[in-house]
Amino acid sequence: RKEVEQDPGPFNVPEGATVAFNCTYSNSASQSFFWYRQDCRKEPKLLMSVYSSGNEDGRFTAQLNRASQYISLLIRDSKLSDSATYLCVVNRGSQGNLIFGKGTKLSVKP
Amino acid sequence: GAGVSQTPSNKVTEKGKYVELRCDPISGHTALYWYRQSLGQGPEFLIYFQGTGAADDSGLPNDRFFAVRPEGSVSTLKIQRTERGDSAVYLCASSHSSDPQQQFFGPGTRLTVL
Repeated sequence: RKEVEQDPGPFNVPEGATVAFNCTYSNSASQSFFWYRQDCRKEPKLLMSVYSSGNEDGRFTAQLNRASQYISLLIRDSKLSDSATYLCVVNRGSQGNLIFGKGTKLSVKP
Repeated sequence: GAGVSQTPSNKVTEKGKYVELRCDPISGHTALYWYRQSLGQGPEFLIYFQGTGAADDSGLPNDRFFAVRPEGSVSTLKIQRTERGDSAVYLCASSHSSDPQQQFFGPGTRLTVL
């Protein structure tokens, strides 16, 4: 079993839709949590960190449930430019390597 | 400022050959990471440097893979006796000591082993 598991996707949604991605992690010692975005044939870029209290950045909301070892990302009012692969990422320590999920591809259609 | 740069952007080689991939991190970033991303997968950790030393090399798949960072800045990932299964995008990232969690990725080197 992979340490970070994500919805397989792909998600095909119309503009303006709300879409939710889910992710689970298996190592209870994980300390930090992130969502990265990766455009086709580009490098991953940090979208947002995820905190236990939940956090919001514009149309994006991230939630963390440590008891269930579950992370989510909600995108409201989706735009064509949101089309990308979304990677769920955990870090076991304060530094060191990131552990990536396989990613979920999102396509937003007009 | 300049981001993480990687050269070459593409490398095609033959099975059995030796390759070197270079990473130039953001100036002042003390931590440097190498990842490998195969098609349809997320990046997988290879090795992490703090300054000149390898702090964690647990992700290197075997002894054909080696990386150095002799002056604590530029790093080179070296692959000996390449195999077709080594074909992937090799990503480098760096982070600053003030915010070690935020890793900035370079554009990657796409390695194809024929």
